[in-house]
Amino acid sequence: AQSVTQPDIHITVSEGASLELRCNYSYGATPYLFWYVQSPGQGLQLLLKYFSGDTLVQGIKGFEAEFKRSQSSFNLRKPSVHWSDAAEYFCAVGSNFGNEKLTFGTGTRLTIIP
Amino acid sequence: DVKVTQSSRYLVKRTGEKVFLECVQDMDHENMFWYRQDPGLGLRLIYFSYDVKMKEKGDIPEGYSVSREKKERFSLILESASTNQTSMYLCASTHRHYGYTFGSGTRLTVV
Repeated sequence: AQSVTQPDIHITVSEGASLELRCNYSYGATPYLFWYVQSPGQGLQLLLKYFSGDTLVQGIKGFEAEFKRSQSSFNLRKPSVHWSDAAEYFCAVGSNFGNEKLTFGTGTRLTIIP
Repeated sequence: DVKVTQSSRYLVKRTGEKVFLECVQDMDHENMFWYRQDPGLGLRLIYFSYDVKMKEKGDIPEGYSVSREKKERFSLILESASTNQTSMYLCASTHRHYGYTFGSGTRLTVV
């Protein structure tokens, strides 16, 4: 069965500092990997996705993620965070370009301090 | 832009009531999903549908049913609401290569 682990429940970062959110997955076939962001009271918005090819993928809002098959990881990074990045972040794994059911991690809540 | 609309943002219902959560998408997507979101548990799949009148159980279907009579509408039904169904419910639809589009969610409280 597929699964996703986000080991950090809550991360606090100073504005302007770099960010890395961790994600490890377990999946039997070629994984389709996603990062979503959820602002308070909102639905989820897709930040980026990995299907194949270049293992470093760029997303919206200055985020990027790197797929490392040997480590079963898909960590999300941003070189300099902004106060507006405070939100909850979810990693997910699925199949078929993400058109079928996704398995989500438990999320990482990001707090930004001035 | 694709829109997935959930009819209610907030809902308060009594234990034992039959509850309908409605979800409508406007882009002719084939696949639709219902998830519930709880703190510390992330999103868990309740039911999904790949076509009209089709439904498949997700990971936590107990206590829920669904209806998809038209392609654009996917309803989640709580047959007899219980307090442990207090949660945020998220609907999503997908189309090939475009991935998920989520609605804004319905926060249901069962008292």
